[in-house]
Amino acid sequence: GIQVEQSPPDLILQEGANSTLRCNFSDSVNNLQWFHQNPWGQLINLFYIPSGTKQNGRLSATTVATERYSLLYISSSQTTDSGVYFCAVDQTGANNLFFGTGTRLTVIP
Amino acid sequence: DTAVSQTPKYLVTQMGNDKSIKCEQNLGHDTMYWYKQDSKKFLKIMFSYNNKELIINETVPNRFSPKSPDKAHLNLHINSLELGDSAVYFCASRLTSGRLKTQYFGPGTRLLVL
Repeated sequence: GIQVEQSPPDLILQEGANSTLRCNFSDSVNNLQWFHQNPWGQLINLFYIPSGTKQNGRLSATTVATERYSLLYISSSQTTDSGVYFCAVDQTGANNLFFGTGTRLTVIP
Repeated sequence: DTAVSQTPKYLVTQMGNDKSIKCEQNLGHDTMYWYKQDSKKFLKIMFSYNNKELIINETVPNRFSPKSPDKAHLNLHINSLELGDSAVYFCASRLTSGRLKTQYFGPGTRLLVL
């Protein structure tokens, strides 16, 4: 099956700092989503981004499908950004998401 | 107006018991899923269910059985619970036709088997 790797596995930031999270995938995909799992365990949709660039407030994401990677940018981080960020993809012909192992982000005041 | 809901949110039970988790979506989606998140936070697909077609992840024990009374509901029944079944179970849904195929997740059910 498709492999989804995320880096870094852990990230500690001072409040106000910027960061970039990376997701590499091993095959062509139909769908790519970024999720934030908050400390209460909820999985929150951030972006549906099989290709191109999108922005939502302090967050933006870029997927370069031909090179099989996606980046999630967090600017001016806040303590509420803490949690685990997951990248998930589905392959052509499949209708379910395969998740990466996540990046655990801790933002300290 | 919750999009994907699950009940119960927490479930504590004894080994050997049978339990069910319910899931409902009001998004008009045609496909529903169950995922398991283990203690290391890894999320893995268990089942997907689309128009009465069930696709099973072959690593899921047959003690786990999904039941879909209609397109808006996909329940998970677990027989003879084992300690290793302790995990968080997420229901999800999406529309598999059309351009936008965003998958939405429920709040999760935290299962603890004692």
